[in-house]
Amino acid sequence: ETGVTQTPRHLVMGMTNKKSLKCEQHLGHNAMYWYKQSAKKPLELMFVYSLEERVENNSVPSRFSPECPNSSHLFLHLHTLQPEDSALYLCASSQVIPGGQGTDTQYFGPGTRLTVL
Amino acid sequence: GQNIDQPTEMTATEGAIVQINCTYQTSGFNGLFWYQQHAGEAPTFLSYNVLDGLEEKGRFSSFLSRSKGYSYLLLKELQMKDSASYLCAVRDSNYQLIWGAGTKLIIKP
Repeated sequence: ETGVTQTPRHLVMGMTNKKSLKCEQHLGHNAMYWYKQSAKKPLELMFVYSLEERVENNSVPSRFSPECPNSSHLFLHLHTLQPEDSALYLCASSQVIPGGQGTDTQYFGPGTRLTVL
Repeated sequence: GQNIDQPTEMTATEGAIVQINCTYQTSGFNGLFWYQQHAGEAPTFLSYNVLDGLEEKGRFSSFLSRSKGYSYLLLKELQMKDSASYLCAVRDSNYQLIWGAGTKLIIKP
């Protein structure tokens, strides 16, 4: 399954580093998502881009910054992260349902395993 | 608040049947999803229920009771490759997905 790809698959960074995660979807969808997955916790939605508009999530620290240059690409820029930010970061995409009724089934990439030292 | 509950871990035997339950309390309901996630891999879509009843897809079936806020995923003729985490998610009145923490299923020979 290569519908949604993510790079890198693994990333180790220090707290002073700046890095970026990349996601690309090949499904023709018009909505993309960033999730954080920590062990034994529910998926945490971080950011949503729907029809090229960003939906804010006020609980996400400013050290995470998303960028969506077009409907197929999504980035998550990371800077001055903390050890508790270590997790699996998942990207997903879906198609917006006509009529403003949310979106259809989400399809996920394999994730980036991030370790912050 | 909104909440999805599912067991943390279950163990079953190869060839047997296992039922993974999911209960939910959400602000409205616009469908329930089940995903399978193997360790280190992407969650993959398994099933979607929006009306009460049973949806069958080969060895996997999913059941929904909206009045009880309850769903289950039924896996038959278990195979070793079914060892994975199973995620339950509910779409609320704002069409946002609310996720459970997942059930880790361990299959033993």
